[in-house]
Amino acid sequence: AQKVTQAQTEISVVEKEDVTLDCVYETRDTTYYLFWYKQPPSGELVFLIRRNSFDEQNEISGRYSWNFQKSTSSFNFTITASQVVDSAVYFCALSEETSGSRLTFGEGTQLTVNP
Amino acid sequence: SQTIHQWPATLVQPVGSPLSLECTVEGTSNPNLYWYRQAAGRGLQLLFYSVGIGQISSEVPQNLSASRPQDRQFILSSKKLLLSDSGFYLCACTRASGVADTQYFGPGTRLTVL
Repeated sequence: AQKVTQAQTEISVVEKEDVTLDCVYETRDTTYYLFWYKQPPSGELVFLIRRNSFDEQNEISGRYSWNFQKSTSSFNFTITASQVVDSAVYFCALSEETSGSRLTFGEGTQLTVNP
Repeated sequence: SQTIHQWPATLVQPVGSPLSLECTVEGTSNPNLYWYRQAAGRGLQLLFYSVGIGQISSEVPQNLSASRPQDRQFILSSKKLLLSDSGFYLCACTRASGVADTQYFGPGTRLTVL
């Protein structure tokens, strides 16, 4: 069965620091998809990125970057030069090809960026 | 792109009362639809999903039920609320044709059962 682990329950940083959110997953499928979502205090989940298991290229989008390593079953998320607006709960999620679009979420990491 | 509406935004209900939460989707046809609950804390629990009108799959047996009377309408119901039903309810959708497609979420309904 699939599983997603986000070991960091809470992280607190000072503005402009870099921060990495860890995500480790378990799956038996060879084809799967990984996601990151942001949940600001308003509550709505905002989609950040989707990665398939055959694409291990790291991705950068502005201050956000993602490091996908199949060898360690990890899909970590780094925010560079963090800002107060980055404060939110971040979720990593997994979808297996055999389960369609159904997602398995990690428990989330609460990131607080202090001014 | 699709837009997901949920209402009400917040709801306070007494124990034992009925519940009806509504989710509607714009901008896509024949979507897959999902109901999640987020209890105090952070984890998201998938409650129901639907691949078409009248087709509902339940992930967790509980006090709730779901219905899909129209292609882009998904309703979450209960006949008698329990204290444990309190939480944040999120509706999500994907395109029907996409394998492991991205789920997009609505703004959520915050339910408090007293």
